[in-house]
Amino acid sequence: DAGITQSPRHKVTETGTPVTLRCHQTENHRYMYWYRQDPGHGLRLIHYSYGVKDTDKGEVSDGYSVSRSKTEDFLLTLESATSSQTSVYFCAISPLLPRAGGYTFGSGTRLTVV
Amino acid sequence: LAKTTQPISMDSYEGQEVNITCSHNNIATNDYITWYQQFPSQGPRFIIQGYKTKVTNEVASLFIPADRKSSTLSLPRVSLSDTAVYYCLVGSLYNFNKFYFGSGTKLNVKP
Repeated sequence: DAGITQSPRHKVTETGTPVTLRCHQTENHRYMYWYRQDPGHGLRLIHYSYGVKDTDKGEVSDGYSVSRSKTEDFLLTLESATSSQTSVYFCAISPLLPRAGGYTFGSGTRLTVV
Repeated sequence: LAKTTQPISMDSYEGQEVNITCSHNNIATNDYITWYQQFPSQGPRFIIQGYKTKVTNEVASLFIPADRKSSTLSLPRVSLSDTAVYYCLVGSLYNFNKFYFGSGTKLNVKP
């Protein structure tokens, strides 16, 4: 999607290893989010950020940490990956004045933990 | 946290109008209703948003009854390319981080 890039697009990693996913935006939006998507669960919010160095937990934050040192970048880290974290991860952004659900999503990162 | 209930799947044929209904019985006064579309291997894409009555844009209409406990997304004359998962979200302008996506409705459009 225009203005928001996720990297990598695909990753396979071993159980117990650290993994960092990156979300980069060029829209200068204040708010950024990380979701995971699993069959039967739809999208679930992991963490979100409402500004540089300002982050908070979402619905399924256990096992994940985030950092936002610049407006344009929001990193999601799995400190010690587990098989239950195999999922598709989506980053989303929204503007300064939030509209209800007015997100722009990235194309996703497919993570497989073996 | 206002949760939503949608049908798991729907089938339709090209050229037909499709209506997908979402139930949100515990919607709050400040909550808006938003619909997203998701194609395989892509992130969800915003379709339409409303608060009450009817909203129409170039791709869809959203009907919201007076009690706001449900809403209906209407897609006119669907094509094969409308085959996707459709999500209904309910949330406040100022608690956007609390939105619940649910599992969505898988719309299958047949030729």
